[in-house]
Amino acid sequence: EDQVTQSPEALRLQEGESSSLNCSYTVSGLRGLFWYRQDPGKGPEFLFTLYSAGEEKEKERLKATLTKKESFLHITAPKPEDSATYLCAVQAAQNDYKLSFGAGTTVTVRA
Amino acid sequence: DAGVIQSPRHEVTEMGQEVTLRCKPISGHNSLFWYRQTMMRGLELLIYFNNNVPIDDSGMPEDRFSAKMPNASFSTLKIQPSEPRDSAVYFCASSPLTTYEQYFGPGTRLTVT
Repeated sequence: EDQVTQSPEALRLQEGESSSLNCSYTVSGLRGLFWYRQDPGKGPEFLFTLYSAGEEKEKERLKATLTKKESFLHITAPKPEDSATYLCAVQAAQNDYKLSFGAGTTVTVRA
Repeated sequence: DAGVIQSPRHEVTEMGQEVTLRCKPISGHNSLFWYRQTMMRGLELLIYFNNNVPIDDSGMPEDRFSAKMPNASFSTLKIQPSEPRDSAVYFCASSPLTTYEQYFGPGTRLTVT
């Protein structure tokens, strides 16, 4: 069974204080690893898909990286508007639809 | 372009009542998913449709839950009878044929008293 573990559960940052979120996964053949952002009272918002080890993707202050066992979401010089819960999900190669989600990391950025 | 649309946004009902949640996927997307999110269990896939056909309903918790997709632009998730443990946020998501990315709606917060 696919497993996704995110750490830490919560992260409190000062504005401008860069940090990283971790997503460790176990899957029988990875098709893709997905990062989502979820604001309170809203649905998850798609951020990135990573397909192979060594791949990196960036969007504004966010950068996602992937190895064979884990992914990192780096937040550079965060702003209060980056406060959200960040969810990681994996999709196994043997299916083309099922996403297995982690519990998420809740990031709070103080001004 | 409109995203995934869900209604109602909030639903409060009494135990034993029937509840129907509605979803309109993004136009052109051929896959549709229903998820449930709770603090205890996180995001769980309930059912997956491809081209309006249910492919995987193994996540549907009990026979009290049923889902339909009569056409490419509409799906329903029904709970009958509802129980307090069904209280959760229910999300609908859709995905295009060309990628595996899923796009989520705003969710329906269901409270069963």
